[in-house]
Amino acid sequence: ETGVTQTPRHLVMGMTNKKSLKCEQHLGHNAMYWYKQSAKKPLELMFVYNFKEQTENNSVPSRFSPECPNSSHLFLHLHTLQPEDSALYLCASSQARGEDSYNEQFFGPGTRLTVL
Amino acid sequence: GQNIDQPTEMTATEGAIVQINCTYQTSGFNGLFWYQQHAGEAPTFLSYNVLDGLEEKGRFSSFLSRSKGYSYLLLKELQMKDSASYLCAVTDSNYQLIWGAGTKLIIKP
Repeated sequence: ETGVTQTPRHLVMGMTNKKSLKCEQHLGHNAMYWYKQSAKKPLELMFVYNFKEQTENNSVPSRFSPECPNSSHLFLHLHTLQPEDSALYLCASSQARGEDSYNEQFFGPGTRLTVL
Repeated sequence: GQNIDQPTEMTATEGAIVQINCTYQTSGFNGLFWYQQHAGEAPTFLSYNVLDGLEEKGRFSSFLSRSKGYSYLLLKELQMKDSASYLCAVTDSNYQLIWGAGTKLIIKP
């Protein structure tokens, strides 16, 4: 257990569905991240929230919509996804993102998403 | 562009030693992480290097040479449970974490 939980662990959805991924951290961190992990590719950073404010959006398509209601919770809302969006979606948290080189990130177990 | 290179896959024998290399080209350097990720699980922190040299932690050691843009993770007395992917990540000048694609390590009896 890393102190970061994600639900659901597995999700199968059609291209016209709307679903949401949930992440919760119990570590008292102030920064939270969404990553996409595809086979044999580096982790792709999607979004970063620092003190509930979105600080990065790495050219992610609008069919992915993040929400961070407080420092402990992070959501990723999904709609009209494409089959190539099938991947493992990982949530992570760390101390506040700032000028600190030691930004160890703690990961959740991920949501395995399959888009049909 | 920024790039992290590490071998895609390695195979080693139980009880042996294996070295996983990582080379990086990034805009600035503020530290290097190694993470372990078992199949279907979250990546977990293994080590952190910011100064040149070797950091030892039990059976695992991590080495860094900033002038060469190079690091390695050394695993000794390999156990079957060490079968996993090992991810190298570098913090760049903007304190953003740049990730390698990971090295899948297969341990054989």
